[in-house]
This record gives sequence, C-alpha cells and structure tokens, in this order.
Amino acid sequence: DQQVKQNSPSLSVQEGRISILNCDYTNSMFDYFLWYKKYPAEGPTFLISISSIKDKNEDGRFTVFLNKSAKHLSLHIVPSQPGDSAVYFCAATPYSGGGADGLTFGKGTHLIIQP
Amino acid sequence: KAGVTQTPRYLIKTRGQQVTLSCSPISGHRSVSWYQQTPGQGLQFLFEYFSETQRNKGNFPGRFSGRQFSNSRSEMNVSTLELGDSALYLCASSLDMGDRLHGYTFGSGTRLTVV
Repeated sequence: DQQVKQNSPSLSVQEGRISILNCDYTNSMFDYFLWYKKYPAEGPTFLISISSIKDKNEDGRFTVFLNKSAKHLSLHIVPSQPGDSAVYFCAATPYSGGGADGLTFGKGTHLIIQP
Repeated sequence: KAGVTQTPRYLIKTRGQQVTLSCSPISGHRSVSWYQQTPGQGLQFLFEYFSETQRNKGNFPGRFSGRQFSNSRSEMNVSTLELGDSALYLCASSLDMGDRLHGYTFGSGTRLTVV
C-alpha cells in the first residue's frame, strides 16, 4: 500500500512557465514533507521541506504548499528553467520525538522543461 | 566540502553470494541512512544509524544488515543475494538523527546487479 503517491509519472512544461508537481499521502502520522530532485546517475538532491504546522514554505523559485485536510502537497517552480528537467520525488516522515524514522518516498514525477 | 561518498559505484554479483557496500558521510554528519531504489518499488528505507547504533529499520528481510563505525562511516551487507536485490543502493547522511527539515544529503549510489 503506497503511503505517498505521485500520480503523474511525467509532466512537460514550457520554459518560463510555472511547473506544479503534486503529491498525495495517506498516513496521517506524517509530520514532515520533503521534495528531492534527481538527475540520472546521481543521488537525490534535497530541494525544500515543510512541517505540518505550516501550509507554505518558499525558497527562491521553489514553493511547497501543504493542505493537511486533503493530505495533499504540491511543489511550484516559477519560472521553470531547462536545468529543472529531472525526476522529482516527494517524501514524508512522521515526528517521533528523539527517534529516527526513514523517509517514505513517492515514485517520482519526471519533469521535462521544453525550450 | 566533500559530499557523501559511496563505493563501489558498480558491482556485479552472483545469486547466493554476499556483498558489502560502503558509505562515507559528509564530515561532521553523524547519521547515516540507507535506501534501495528499484523500478518497481521506488525508493525504500532500509535503516538508519547514529552513534554506531541502528535506530530504525525498514521492512526488509534479515539478509540486509549494516553497521556504523566510530568515524560515522557505514557499511551495509546483503547476504545470500537474490535476483530481486538488483537495485541502486543509496546512502544519505545528515548532521543529526532524523534531521527532517534540513533534508538528507545523498550519495550517488552503488548499482548492484545480481546475476
């Protein structure tokens, strides 16, 4: 049972426009959400995160929105650039005090920026 | 600042053999996590180590094990290899255990092929 779902395997966006990547989760215990970007033959690179006490977090061209009641988050990239072409992973993890819980990842969305 | 280093980059093993993969975290990072990436299951959490102790484990059989040394370097071992163990194995480090909001820094991975 997939606890983190990225329903669009791929997305094509024109350079300069907004890219919106979506992610849904089912586990209400998730408290932290992260987005990673991955190029072929490289490991995932951390982009941005958000905790469940917020509904928005911004970092430069990247903004993550969290809708807890809908168990949905999205990543907005504005404006989209050719270097943004990569696979984007949504990940989530619960808060567990002093413990450590691994990240649960979605299957990824391949973003293609068209010139 | 050197990133997360994983060795070897590529490995081919025969069914039934065992394999050891190595990960050197970013200097100063004390937590090391391991993930398996396959086309079918995506990225899945294996385990996380902090202060030489396994803090959490994902849903993998006991054939998958690991350890962490006093200098925070980590190794993971897979015994009695099966064809389904063919995957990209990713190591990630973070400053502290469960450092969720600042993300984890991933290495480029070890591509294991079991024949």
